[in-house]
Amino acid sequence: AQRVTQPEKLLSVFKGAPVELKCNYSYSGSPELFWYVQYSRQRLQLLLRHISRESIKGFTADLNKGETSFHLKKPFAQEEDSAMYYCALSGEAAGNKLTFGGGTRVLVKP
Amino acid sequence: EPEVTQTPSHQVTQMGQEVILRCVPISNHLYFYWYRQILGQKVEFLVSFYNNEISEKSEIFDDQFSVERPDGSNFTLKIRSTKLEDSAMYFCASRGTSGRGTQYFGPGTRLLVL
Repeated sequence: AQRVTQPEKLLSVFKGAPVELKCNYSYSGSPELFWYVQYSRQRLQLLLRHISRESIKGFTADLNKGETSFHLKKPFAQEEDSAMYYCALSGEAAGNKLTFGGGTRVLVKP
Repeated sequence: EPEVTQTPSHQVTQMGQEVILRCVPISNHLYFYWYRQILGQKVEFLVSFYNNEISEKSEIFDDQFSVERPDGSNFTLKIRSTKLEDSAMYFCASRGTSGRGTQYFGPGTRLLVL
């Protein structure tokens, strides 16, 4: 079974401070991990995929297979980073459904 | 940039009524999905669809639910006889052909069953 856990429902940080969103997963095969972001009143949009190893909007995430984690980090949070962040996993089954974590709301205070 | 669109944005219906939620996926995508999010809960997978048939469905996707791609552009989710617990945000997503690729989401339809 696929499972994704985001232990923090809410993270509140000041502008310029580092932010780290935790994501742990459970999957027996070779997963693909994603971070999706949902800004206020907007659709879910892809932020990062682990296989692309990019840094988007200053965010990075590294897949740690030993710890089954895919934490999202940004060294200096900006007010425009305030949003809902979802970690998601895609397995190897034909349909490649996404299994989502519960989401973390990030609030960046001025 | 092409986007997934969904209509309606909001729908209110009476318990027991049928609803059809519509989605227009990105035009060259071949994999289609429905997810739902009950208020305060996780985004949950309902069904995936490829080559005009269901490729996977969740336990939630019982006989009351069906999906269809009637005309090569629309992708619909039908709930035959709505229940109170079907009240949720329903998201459509589509994906291109390459590997496990990114799923692109629509803005969602908020369904309220009274």
